[in-house]
This record gives sequence, C-alpha cells and structure tokens, in this order.
Amino acid sequence: DTAVSQTPKYLVTQMGNDKSIKCEQNLGHDTMYWYKQDSKKFLKIMFSYNNKELIINETVPNRFSPKSPDKAHLNLHINSLELGDSAVYFCASSQDGPYEQYFGPGTRLTVT
Amino acid sequence: DQQVKQNSPSLSVQEGRISILNCDYTNSMFDYFLWYKKYPAEGPTFLISISSIKDKNEDGRFTVFLNKSAKHLSLHIVPSQPGDSAVYFCAASGTYDYKLSFGAGTTVTVRA
Repeated sequence: DTAVSQTPKYLVTQMGNDKSIKCEQNLGHDTMYWYKQDSKKFLKIMFSYNNKELIINETVPNRFSPKSPDKAHLNLHINSLELGDSAVYFCASSQDGPYEQYFGPGTRLTVT
Repeated sequence: DQQVKQNSPSLSVQEGRISILNCDYTNSMFDYFLWYKKYPAEGPTFLISISSIKDKNEDGRFTVFLNKSAKHLSLHIVPSQPGDSAVYFCAASGTYDYKLSFGAGTTVTVRA
C-alpha cells in the first residue's frame, strides 16, 4: 500500500515536448506539494495545493501547470520542455500544515 | 538564497559510534524543524522534528537539539548502524508557511 505514488518513475523526452507527471496519495491528507531536486541536490518547493486550491507558486515558469482534480491527486504538466527542466520531481502530502510531509518516490525527468 | 544550510556534505562514522549532523538557518521566522532521511532512488522519509518551544527531542536512537540563539540544530544518531547510511536533509518552516525549506543534505556512511 503505497502512501504517495508517482507515475512515471522515469521520463526521457526531447526538448519542446509536453509531458505530465501524476501523483496520488491515499493518506487522506488535505495538502499536496511538488518539489524539484536539481543537479546540486537541493529540494525546492514548486507548488502547494490545499483542498484543491493553489496556495504556493514559487516563481516557477508558467510552462509548469499543476492540476488538482481532487484532494488525493496533484498532477504536474510541463509544456515546451527545456534542457534545464531535467531533474527529479517529488510529490508530497501533509495534513494540517507543512510539517510531516510524506514524499513519493520521485520522477526522474531527462530532457535531451 | 539558501535559508537552511548543511555545511558538511558528507560524514563517515564507524558502526556503533555517534553520528552528529549539523544544520544552520538564517530565517528567524522559522519555528519548526525537521530531519528527513533519503535512500537512493526513493523519496525522503520523515525522521524526527522539533518545535522552537523545545531545545531537545528524542526518538529512540535519534535526538535533535535546537539552539535558537545560534540558529543551529543538530541530529545525533546513537549508536550508528549500517542501515543509517543515507542522505539526511534538514528542513524548516514558519507557522504560516505552507512549505518546507530544505538544506542541501549530508551523506552519512556507516562503516562496519
């Protein structure tokens, strides 16, 4: 029983393509997040949704568009992929604040 | 602008000895601090946390110490075990933040 799952785990694509990463949590949490871990291994917040409403958007290019169809899902769509988008993307969820966040296994995106 | 800093990228310790990981922060609005552990190809998992109203929190082999005046926290692992070999991230949040700010991580290697 995976608490936070992401698909796909690996994604290799060419520059200019559009791709989506899906995230689902079965913990009943009300807040979900997307993080990016770059080549320097820093984990940086991108977006946060609370009860399907966007509450954090950390100066991410508008090529990135999160979508939350319900509390259990937060998908990330990326348009016109660039080389610099190559990274590991982590989804996470939490209840009642940002504290103990539960992370998914990550999606390694490689843009060639 | 990194508000959470882990200045030691790596730490090697003998099995059975103590591991001490350090973390400094610059934002005085941070009032909740967490440590996460990450194995390769997995998402970070929550380890232990501490609120700014405390200066110590203990959970089994793991103890976190907080020095608010120095804006410094540390994680002690006693005794260290081979399964503790992983990357450890320090993270911090303010009361009304809906996000965690992460340090760059410290890779711990426990030698047999």
